[in-house]
Amino acid sequence: DSGVTQTPKHLITATGQRVTLRCSPRSGDLSVYWYQQSLDQGLQFLIQYYNGEERAKGNILERFSAQQFPDLHSELNLSSLELGDSALYFCASSHDGGTEAFFGQGTRLTVV
Amino acid sequence: GESVGLHLPTLSVQEGDNSIINCAYSNSASDYFIWYKQESGKGPQFIIDIRSNMDKRQGQRVTVLLNKTVKHLSLQIAATQPGDSAVYFCAEKTGGGNKLTFGTGTQLKVEL
Repeated sequence: DSGVTQTPKHLITATGQRVTLRCSPRSGDLSVYWYQQSLDQGLQFLIQYYNGEERAKGNILERFSAQQFPDLHSELNLSSLELGDSALYFCASSHDGGTEAFFGQGTRLTVV
Repeated sequence: GESVGLHLPTLSVQEGDNSIINCAYSNSASDYFIWYKQESGKGPQFIIDIRSNMDKRQGQRVTVLLNKTVKHLSLQIAATQPGDSAVYFCAEKTGGGNKLTFGTGTQLKVEL
């Protein structure tokens, strides 16, 4: 158990809908990262937050957004969902953004 | 269109043999590297890391070698066990940035 908690574990939704994925980092970790893992793209970095502020941005679509709250948990919002958004979404956390990141178990999103 | 599975290189080894998994990284400015193990249905799990000022680091049954001249990273697993069967990813982090860039992964299969 990495100490990073993601909910829900599985999510099935229809195209055009909006979902929110939640992540609780390890105790004491200030940085949260979101990654997307799909069959044809591997692990792709989406976005990073550090202590509530956006720190780095990767290949995140405009339909996607994230935030980190004062208690350090984070949410990834995916809207206007398309079939191609079906993937595993992982959250990871690290203490200061400069050390190893620990991953949660992921949320499997299926868009039908 | 129909998505296809990511074609992962596969390494098959006999139980008890040593495994060597290789990774070529792209950014000569990367200063931190991590190996992750991902079992089916789980999130990536940290194995070992190395900074660019080192060329070798050892852990329990694992050794990471870094060759900056040719931008090559390897993970050696001693006395490979069935529980080592997984996909192994190398990841690199570039100084000043906070995202991890992952390689495509290698599937390790341990044969009894």
